[in-house]
Amino acid sequence: EDQVTQSPEALRLQEGESSSLNCSYTVSGLRGLFWYRQDPGKGPEFLFTLYSAGEEKEKERLKATLTKKESFLHITAPKPEDSATYLCAVQTLGYQKVTFGIGTKLQVIP
Amino acid sequence: DVKVTQSSRYLVKRTGEKVFLECVQDMDHENMFWYRQDPGLGLRLIYFSYDVKMKEKGDIPEGYSVSREKKERFSLILESASTNQTSMYLCASSHPRDTSYEQYFGPGTRLTVT
Repeated sequence: EDQVTQSPEALRLQEGESSSLNCSYTVSGLRGLFWYRQDPGKGPEFLFTLYSAGEEKEKERLKATLTKKESFLHITAPKPEDSATYLCAVQTLGYQKVTFGIGTKLQVIP
Repeated sequence: DVKVTQSSRYLVKRTGEKVFLECVQDMDHENMFWYRQDPGLGLRLIYFSYDVKMKEKGDIPEGYSVSREKKERFSLILESASTNQTSMYLCASSHPRDTSYEQYFGPGTRLTVT
């Protein structure tokens, strides 16, 4: 059974204070690892797909990396508008089902 | 832009009522999903459908059923609503040949069962 564990559950940063969110996963065969952003009262919004260990993707202040057991979402010099819950998810080869983690709630203080 | 819409943002129903949640997507996606999201439990898959009239159970199908009569529409049915079905319900869609495997989510329906 696929499993996704995210840490920390909540993170409070000062504006400009860089940090990383962790996603540990177990899956029988990885089709893709996903990062989503979710704002309060809204549906998740897609950020990245990572397919294999060693891969990295960047978007503005966000950079996602992948190893065989975990993924990191690095946030460089965050701004208050980066405040959101960040969800990690995995999909197994041959299946359409996606398993989500509980998420990390990020708050960036001005 | 892909758009996934859900019929209601907020819904209040009584215990025992039959409840219909509707989801419509406008991008001709084959795959559609229903999730519920609860604090501390995250997003959990209820049912998904990979084609018209096709459906598969997710992790928590008990107490729910689904209907997909048209490609763009996927309905979640609570046969007899109970208080433990109070939750945020999210619909999503995806294209099976999209190599990013991205799921597009609707805004969610917050259902309260009293």
